[in-house]
This record gives sequence, structure tokens and C-alpha cells, in this order.
Amino acid sequence: EAGVAQSPRYKIIEKRQSVAFWCNPISGHATLYWYQQILGQGPKLLIQFQNNGVVDDSQLPKDRFSAERLKGVDSTLKIQPAKLEDSAVYLCASSSISTSGRATGELFFGEGSRLTVL
Amino acid sequence: SQKIEQNSEALNIQEGKTATLTCNYTNYSPAYLQWYRQDPGRGPVFLLLIRENEKEKRKERLKVTFDTTLKQSLFHITASQPADSATYLCARGNSGYSTLTFGKGTMLLVSP
Repeated sequence: EAGVAQSPRYKIIEKRQSVAFWCNPISGHATLYWYQQILGQGPKLLIQFQNNGVVDDSQLPKDRFSAERLKGVDSTLKIQPAKLEDSAVYLCASSSISTSGRATGELFFGEGSRLTVL
Repeated sequence: SQKIEQNSEALNIQEGKTATLTCNYTNYSPAYLQWYRQDPGRGPVFLLLIRENEKEKRKERLKVTFDTTLKQSLFHITASQPADSATYLCARGNSGYSTLTFGKGTMLLVSP
């Protein structure tokens, strides 16, 4: 079974530039997450989708971050304009849902996209 | 707010010993706790999930406990090996849509 795919693995940009990250979840997984992991910290949820809809985006800095999941499969996370403090690893994860419609709990993570903002 | 606290200091142990990592949570008891392993430059990998009504869960050399009185989960690796060296993340989840809140993780170093 193919895992969660993310690209690019590494990106270096200057502040005020824009960047986009792409994620392809495990086939059939309805729930998709974007997490931000700053060095030495645990992952912090940015946004959670279930199919096409947003379940939780309360910690997404909406003035500069945006995310979409068209057709309920792939997702893109965009940062525009980037700030120095956005330097982090952006992790995409997916999970399946049970027959009751609830996420089963276990998350499958991609390898992450490491962003460096200079 | 719902927090997860893990010891930020690295845990150094010798091969063959049992490693014990601690995860404390605040406020109300989560529906479940999860433990993940993260190697440098890699995404976290799921290890174990323990529910609020379970006291203990085992998987091979791994054991997790959930103490709602102490608001704490302990993660044990028995007969530890150098290959167990990694950062271990604890996460709390609520019933429903499975939004996870992660701790900072504890680095485990197992020396030969």
C-alpha cells in the first residue's frame, strides 16, 4: 500500500515570497491533515479536512496560509507571503473513517516538506 | 486548553534495559492517547493507541498505560535496542473527528 506522498521535500525561499506544498493521501482515506512542526516541537495542527470539507482550521493563520482539497483527494497548502517564523516542516497526514463516519484515530504521515525562509 | 506534556530532556539508557517515557495531560481526560515514533527527517509513525477505559496495551516489546487519576500515560520499551533510538511523541485525541494534539516529544538514546 502506497503511503502519504508529499512534495517538495525541501524548499528555500526568501521572506515575503510564496510557496505551495502538495499532498496525496493514502487511497480511500477521507480525512486529511496538515501539521506544522517547528524544530524541537511536536506537530501542530493547521487544518483538517474530511472529504472536501474543513473540520478544523482554528490554528491556521488565515491571513497568509490557505489550503484546499478539491475533489476530496489531493491537497495543497499555500503560504503567501512567507515570514521567517514559517520555517518548519509541513507534515501531511491522512486517516480512514469507520462505518460510523468517525475517524479511526491512527494517522499516517508523509515524510514532510521542510521549508526554510531566509 | 488541552495540553500534552512530555519530558523535553533526552532519556539515555543502556541496551537491554527498559525505557519508560512519560506523558501528562491537562484538563479533562482524552478519549484516547496515541504514541508515535519519529526518526530525524522523517514523519511520525504510529505505534499504539490506548483508550480512556483501557489501563494497559501491549504490542511486542511496547507497553502503554493510561492512568486517569494521575492524568498520565507511560510508554515502556522492554529489552531496548540501539535501533529504538528516536523521538517518541504522545498525542491526545477526543471522540469524534480525531483531532490530535501532540506533545513536544522525548528523545530516547539507547547506547550499546
